[in-house]
Amino acid sequence: QQQVKQSPQSLIVQKGGISIINCAYENTAFDYFPWYQQFPGKGPALLIAIRPDVSEKKEGRFTISFNKSAKQFSLHIMDSQPGDSATYFCAASRGNKLVFGAGTILRVKS
Amino acid sequence: EAGVAQSPRYKIIEKRQSVAFWCNPISGHATLYWYQQILGQGPKLLIQFQNNGVVDDSQLPKDRFSAERLKGVDSTLKIQPAKLEDSAVYLCASSLEAYYEQYFGPGTRLTVT
Repeated sequence: QQQVKQSPQSLIVQKGGISIINCAYENTAFDYFPWYQQFPGKGPALLIAIRPDVSEKKEGRFTISFNKSAKQFSLHIMDSQPGDSATYFCAASRGNKLVFGAGTILRVKS
Repeated sequence: EAGVAQSPRYKIIEKRQSVAFWCNPISGHATLYWYQQILGQGPKLLIQFQNNGVVDDSQLPKDRFSAERLKGVDSTLKIQPAKLEDSAVYLCASSLEAYYEQYFGPGTRLTVT
């Protein structure tokens, strides 16, 4: 059972544009929603995370928007740069058992 | 601070052979995780250790996979015998304690032919 559904599978954005990746979850018991960034040959690294008591969290160019009633959350990357080209994973957890989405391959064209 | 170390980085074996992966977590991290990442999918937790005890191994195929964490530091993950569907990247992660941020190693890419 896929508990975290991520879209799109891949995304191409022009430099300076906004990248948007969406995730939907099923288990209402999830209480922690992180986003991970993974470069080729590297392990995933935590980018930004949110808990369901807030609707938005911003860190630099990265923003998470969270809609508890719709059971959806999204990552917005403002002013996207070629260095942002990577695979992005959303995840959800209850306790510390992370359930990952399938990933989005982002390519930022210069 | 040194990150999570894993070896080997790449391994190619034939089906029915055995293979072992090694992980050295960040110093002082009590919690260690092994994940399987199949191409095109997100990581899936196989097993979680708290010090040298198993906390969760519900998704570990115990008929062929085994893992241990002796002395609560390094860990090894073994597959015996390997199947074609075991081809994946095996990621090790560690955290200071459970519920803290997980730090991932670079992974071991296993190809089973």
